[in-house]
Amino acid sequence: DIQMTQSPSSLSASVGDRVTITCRASQDISNYLAWFQQKPGKAPESLIYAASTLQSGVPSKFSGSGSGTDFTLTISSLQPEDFATYYCQQYNSYPRTFGPGTKVDIK
Amino acid sequence: EVRLLESGGGLVQPGGSLRLSCAASGFTFGSYAMSWVRQAPGKGLEWVSTITGSGDSAYYADSVRGRFTISRDNSKNTLFLQMNSLRAEDTAVYYCARPPKVTPPLRDNYWGQGTLVTVSS
Repeated sequence: DIQMTQSPSSLSASVGDRVTITCRASQDISNYLAWFQQKPGKAPESLIYAASTLQSGVPSKFSGSGSGTDFTLTISSLQPEDFATYYCQQYNSYPRTFGPGTKVDIK
Repeated sequence: EVRLLESGGGLVQPGGSLRLSCAASGFTFGSYAMSWVRQAPGKGLEWVSTITGSGDSAYYADSVRGRFTISRDNSKNTLFLQMNSLRAEDTAVYYCARPPKVTPPLRDNYWGQGTLVTVSS
């Protein structure tokens, strides 16, 4: 099974900050990597797929990059609505696996 | 507009069974693989199962293999998850999802709002 790790597990940031979250796969997954945002009590929402393709309707302040085993999600200018938990998921092989999540909260 | 609406969750005793449904709309249902993903209280996301668009192939997490069965009715645009021999550790919100496509053309992916399954005596 492919193991997914995320760093940091949590971070505190201020409105307007640039935030970067890292996701690492235990083996090469090409670009089969998605990012999701989840707010408390809500369903996850898709942000990015194929490592860098923005889901329709997702603001361009979100961006993704990477290939192989190392990936990043960047929020260019953090806004109040962006405080949430972010998950990566690989879909290169079964079982599909998620990272443990990165919680972004207000400093 | 793509919509996924789960139903069928509830309280069930250990060892019991439950069948979840997910009604899909806004896209050509039979052209897409579909998944179930769950989230235990206070925990992260766990992939449960995926079925191909035709229903020919299904994949399961080790934690549910042999107890859960995913299926679909493409004539009714509905996805199912039959859950048998339920355990306390199956307690979670279960989400229906249209997962990212592996083969082109790539398409957006979507999640339903979830249905809560509680396994307790």
